[in-house]
Amino acid sequence: EIVLTQSPVTLSLSPGERATLSCRASQSVTSNYLAWYQHRPGQAPRLLIFGASGRATGIPDRFSGSGSGTDFTLTISRLEPEDFAVYYCQHYDSSRGFTFGPGTKVDI
Amino acid sequence: QLHLQESGPGLVKPSETLSLTCTVSGGSISSSDHYWAWIRQPPGKGLDWIGRIYYAGKTYYNPSLKSRLTISVDTSKNQFSLRLSSVTAADSGVYFCARVDVGSGYTKDWSFYPYYYMDVWGKGTTVTVSS
Repeated sequence: EIVLTQSPVTLSLSPGERATLSCRASQSVTSNYLAWYQHRPGQAPRLLIFGASGRATGIPDRFSGSGSGTDFTLTISRLEPEDFAVYYCQHYDSSRGFTFGPGTKVDI
Repeated sequence: QLHLQESGPGLVKPSETLSLTCTVSGGSISSSDHYWAWIRQPPGKGLDWIGRIYYAGKTYYNPSLKSRLTISVDTSKNQFSLRLSSVTAADSGVYFCARVDVGSGYTKDWSFYPYYYMDVWGKGTTVTVSS
């Protein structure tokens, strides 16, 4: 079973700053199986990145995904006020389904 | 624009069955290109995938819930549903439904493989298991 670890747990930044979020898998994974989501309290989670680096429809280009093997990164180039939220990485496994990381909270 | 809305009782007694429905609007649940999923979030914790279903009825369940779980689809109502039996307080949380999109991946020798991600989500409904 693949376990996802996200770091840091909390990232305290200001609007306009760059955010770098890490997702590490317990073993090497196929990049296409890695996605990122944004979740604001009380709202529906929102798909940001699929296939490790593909930006979902309607997602601003300040969001980018990268990585391969066991290490993946979500970068927000310049934080906007609406970007303060919890971010989850997710892995898909053909036999076990979907697994989420514990999340990184980006706050002010 | 596709919209998903969860509905069901907000309070369920321990040992009873939790039943939720997700109503899909702005699109057809009978799409051959998508699956439909349930995900939950226990209080103060992260997201847990529950299971997914194809419009034709094929299901895939989280192994940890499989013995208690049934996901079904009603194409005539554009809905899919979740039933989780023998609930305990650990089953409390926010329950989300979502659409699962399918991407096309290729290995180095050009063998095709599908990959999945959840591209549209409902806002969620809170379920509390308590007597």
